[in-house]
Amino acid sequence: GQQLNQSPQSMFIQEGEDVSMNCTSSSIFNTWLWYKQDPGEGPVLLIALYKAGELTSNGRLTAQFGITRKDSFLNISASIPSDVGIYFCAGTQGGSEKLVFGKGTKLTVNP
Amino acid sequence: ETGVTQSPTHLIKTRGQQVTLRCSSQSGHNTVSWYQQALGQGPQFIFQYYREEENGRGNFPPRFSGLQFPNYSSELNVNALELDDSALYLCASSDTRGVGEKLFFGSGTQLSVL
Repeated sequence: GQQLNQSPQSMFIQEGEDVSMNCTSSSIFNTWLWYKQDPGEGPVLLIALYKAGELTSNGRLTAQFGITRKDSFLNISASIPSDVGIYFCAGTQGGSEKLVFGKGTKLTVNP
Repeated sequence: ETGVTQSPTHLIKTRGQQVTLRCSSQSGHNTVSWYQQALGQGPQFIFQYYREEENGRGNFPPRFSGLQFPNYSSELNVNALELDDSALYLCASSDTRGVGEKLFFGSGTQLSVL
């Protein structure tokens, strides 16, 4: 099935460091979303982006909707141990009922 | 806690068997979507139900079928199980048809096919 191109696949960082991950597509998306999934749980929405160029923050998280509508990035500042998990980008196209997800970025934070 | 509950949490089946997974949507939500998440992958859209009717389907064969009940709870049925059906099955509910970003996900059912 269709998936977004998400990178990096995994990251190992020290507590306090900043993190950046991104997502790209060959086609246009009209909504970009970032989710976090903990082991044994479903994805939880972190940030939703609705307009090209939009920059949105949620606490230490900042995400941007690329101006080409084909990419998005997520930054996490001053990482803490509870940031550990798998981060997924996702998007919707047109009036579609479905989310298209990336393969995820696994984040490990060393105390 | 999103209020979306799925049962069972884990299930082991053998190839060729049939399975039914259940989902109770969050209070006030009339739309349920099902996703399959294979190990190391992102979730893949299976289908969505709105007011008891299928409202969109992903690239899954007909042996994947679903139901939505008048109370908006839902079932996912998979016939003739194959080894590749082993995955985490996620249910998500929303109060808006068609709009993917309004979804709230449950914790999933982990299906193992042997």
